[in-house]
Amino acid sequence: GNSVTQMEGPVTLSEEAFLTINCTYTATGYPSLFWYVQYPGEGLQLLLKATKADDKGSNKGFEATYRKETTSFHLEKGSVQVSDSAVYFCALTQNTGGFKTIFGAGTRLFVKA
Amino acid sequence: NAGVTQTPKFQVLKTGQSMTLQCAQDMNHNSMYWYRQDPGMGLRLIYYSASEGTTDKGEVPNGYNVSRLNKREFSLRLESAAPSQTSVYFCASNPEGLSTDTQYFGPGTRLTVL
Repeated sequence: GNSVTQMEGPVTLSEEAFLTINCTYTATGYPSLFWYVQYPGEGLQLLLKATKADDKGSNKGFEATYRKETTSFHLEKGSVQVSDSAVYFCALTQNTGGFKTIFGAGTRLFVKA
Repeated sequence: NAGVTQTPKFQVLKTGQSMTLQCAQDMNHNSMYWYRQDPGMGLRLIYYSASEGTTDKGEVPNGYNVSRLNKREFSLRLESAAPSQTSVYFCASNPEGLSTDTQYFGPGTRLTVL
């Protein structure tokens, strides 16, 4: 079946450090891939998405590229800020034979000043 | 424009009690979803409604029922709550239920079953 695997956290970085959060997936067909972010006490909100192979999603300095050959969608940011501290979820969505959405377990990021 | 709203924010139940979680969206979206979030497991889809008048099971439907009351509202009912249903519940919506659509989430309901 479909699955999403994210690197385990928590990840602790100093401000202005480079961030990578790994995400790999298994799926039949051609899913869409998403990164959602959850701030404390809130619901998830979209960070970025890519809907076909080789697409790059980007937002607020974050980027991720849909790599079908390695079934990956790693999240990167060149210089993190304290305000980026949150939980990040990788997810895939398909709508073949019914709606399917699979979330990774989430990676908590702490950024220190 | 409030987006997706959920009530209540917090609830404590005793085993065997029933309750309904309410969700409403004001974005004129066709599709709505109920998820549960458990530590270390991400979000799992309980039920979804692709459009008004339709509902379908997700990954973990046992112990739950849903009602799509109208285009705006989608409720989740626990008929006989169990401790295993202690979780944070999120409602979400998206425009057409396409796999490319972004989902918009409510703030969540934290449920504890004793």
